[in-house]
Amino acid sequence: DSGVTQTPKHLITATGQRVTLRCSPRSGDLSVYWYQQSLDQGLQFLIQYYNGEERAKGNILERFSAQQFPDLHSELNLSSLELGDSALYFCASKRAVSTDTQYFGPGTRLTVL
Amino acid sequence: AQSVTQPDIHITVSEGASLELRCNYSYGATPYLFWYVQSPGQGLQLLLKYFSGDTLVQGIKGFEAEFKRSQSSFNLRKPSVHWSDAAEYFCAVGAGNDYKLSFGAGTTVTVRA
Repeated sequence: DSGVTQTPKHLITATGQRVTLRCSPRSGDLSVYWYQQSLDQGLQFLIQYYNGEERAKGNILERFSAQQFPDLHSELNLSSLELGDSALYFCASKRAVSTDTQYFGPGTRLTVL
Repeated sequence: AQSVTQPDIHITVSEGASLELRCNYSYGATPYLFWYVQSPGQGLQLLLKYFSGDTLVQGIKGFEAEFKRSQSSFNLRKPSVHWSDAAEYFCAVGAGNDYKLSFGAGTTVTVRA
């Protein structure tokens, strides 16, 4: 158990819908990272937040957005869902300094039908 | 930009035999290097990491990896595999203070009795 929690574990929805994935980082971790794991793209970095502020963006679609709240939990919002958005979405957290490790949550499996 | 190549998509090894998984990275400066393992239906667990110092790194579950700057490699090894080592293994590279991870495509390890 990494100490990072993600809810829900599984999500099944239809095309065109909007979903929210939630991540609670390890206690004391200020950075939250979101990654997408799909069969065709592999594991890709989406976005990073540090203490409530967006710090870096990766290959995140405009239909996707995220935020980090004052209690440091983060939400990833996916809208206008397409079949190709079906994937495993991971959240990872890290403390402040550069040499800290990113610890991954168990992931949320999204299935778009 | 950093990138990672894992040349072997799938490796089959007998229980008790040695295992070596290859990883080559591309990055202009000294990278942060990681090996993660993902068991079926599970999240990513950190096996070991390299930030600086001794180029031979020991990890959990009896794994080790060696950083070779001249070859831009960070290969993972285990002297004697157990059936529980069957999983998918990801090499990743990060850089900078708030490093995002760039992952290789992964190597699936099958252990035969």
